[in-house]
Amino acid sequence: EPEVTQTPSHQVTQMGQEVILRCVPISNHLYFYWYRQILGQKVEFLVSFYNNEISEKSEIFDDQFSVERPDGSNFTLKIRSTKLEDSAMYFCASSAGTVSNQPQHFGDGTRLSIL
Amino acid sequence: AQSVSQHNHHVILSEAASLELGCNYSYGGTVNLFWYVQYPGQHLQLLLKYFSGDPLVKGIKGFEAEFIKSKFSFNLRKPSVQWSDTAEYFCAVNALYNQGGKLIFGQGTELSVKP
Repeated sequence: EPEVTQTPSHQVTQMGQEVILRCVPISNHLYFYWYRQILGQKVEFLVSFYNNEISEKSEIFDDQFSVERPDGSNFTLKIRSTKLEDSAMYFCASSAGTVSNQPQHFGDGTRLSIL
Repeated sequence: AQSVSQHNHHVILSEAASLELGCNYSYGGTVNLFWYVQYPGQHLQLLLKYFSGDPLVKGIKGFEAEFIKSKFSFNLRKPSVQWSDTAEYFCAVNALYNQGGKLIFGQGTELSVKP
């Protein structure tokens, strides 16, 4: 079964540095998502992306965050000037559509640790 | 705002015991409902989903869930658990009005099955 792949699996970064988290969605999928899970808390929606633009973003997804699909396969999340509270597990997901029979498929996640 | 509540944070069962994990959501409109499972060290995997029709839905590995609209609930059940069901279980909701397809997750329930 095709999978969503994320790299790296663990990223350690100094506070204030920029970090880029990478995702390769399933190849025929059109919708892409980022979620995060702070330790001990819920999985939270960050952003959805379709047709090379953001479809929806949460209040968490402020100017510090950006997403990009630089080529036909990668989907990246950039966090500028990281803060301690950005430490979390970040999950990428993709789906063929947003309708009911096209659920999201998730990657293994990237654990981001900000020091 | 939409929200999802899972009543149990940690459930411990012996093999062959029956399982029911509670999930309630708050949203008055039409929703799609999901249960995802995360086995240790693995990514979120779709267990089952409800979109319309029969409110009793069957998923993989013998799991089922019942949508009770009047109670805003979508409880997960399995008649006889196995040690291999040890994992974290997440209930999630997507509101049909939401064109971006974002999922709202519950806080997760950790299931430990004793052999």
